[in-house]
Amino acid sequence: GAGVSQTPSNKVTEKGKYVELRCDPISGHTALYWYRQSLGQGPEFLIYFQGTGAADDSGLPNDRFFAVRPEGSVSTLKIQRTERGDSAVYLCASRPTGAEGEQYFGPGTRLTVT
Amino acid sequence: RKEVEQDPGPFNVPEGATVAFNCTYSNSASQSFFWYRQDCRKEPKLLMSVYSSGNEDGRFTAQLNRASQYISLLIRDSKLSDSATYLCVAADSNYQLIWGAGTKLIIKP
Repeated sequence: GAGVSQTPSNKVTEKGKYVELRCDPISGHTALYWYRQSLGQGPEFLIYFQGTGAADDSGLPNDRFFAVRPEGSVSTLKIQRTERGDSAVYLCASRPTGAEGEQYFGPGTRLTVT
Repeated sequence: RKEVEQDPGPFNVPEGATVAFNCTYSNSASQSFFWYRQDCRKEPKLLMSVYSSGNEDGRFTAQLNRASQYISLLIRDSKLSDSATYLCVAADSNYQLIWGAGTKLIIKP
C-alpha cells in the first residue's frame, strides 16, 4: 500500500516568510510524528499526534512552530517568520496502533531559509 | 550529555567482514530499543527491535545490556549494500523515541 507522503519535497523560502509542510500518513495509522533532522544528526522530535489531538508538543522549539491534524489523518506543520536556523529536513512518521517503535517515515521536506 | 550516544564513525569495513557498534542511553526508564537504518538523503527505516534476550535477523544481531545501559548491533558477512547510517533509538513508556545521531558505516569492496 501507499507509504507516508510529504509535500513539498523541497521548499526554499526567504527569512521572515510563512511556510506550511504537509504530511499524509499511512491510512489507519492513528499516531503521527513530526521531526526535523539536520546534517549529521538524528531526527529531533517536534510533536506527536494521537488522532486529532497533539499528545506531546514538547519538542516544538518556540511559538513560531505549530502543527494541526484536524481530521486525524493529514497533518500540516506551520512555521511563521522563518529563520535561517529553521533550515533542515522535516520528517513525518506514522505508527500503527500498538507498534511502539515501528515508525514509518515519509521522504521528508527539505526546507531552506535564505 | 546526549540521552542516546553513538560513535559517529565512519566505520570503514571491507566487504565480508564483521562489524559491531554500540550505543549508550542515559534514561534508565527507557522501555524499548530499536535500530533504524538511514541511507544518504533518505528517510530512516526500521531495521530491527532490540529485545532483552537479544535477537537475530539474518546477518544482523542486536543485544541489550540494561545494567550498563547500552545496546549493540552486529553485522556479519557485510555487504556493500549495508553502507548506511545506523540510528540507535530508545523509547519511553509514552512511545516517545529518543534518537542517537547515528553511526556511519562504509563497506568497501
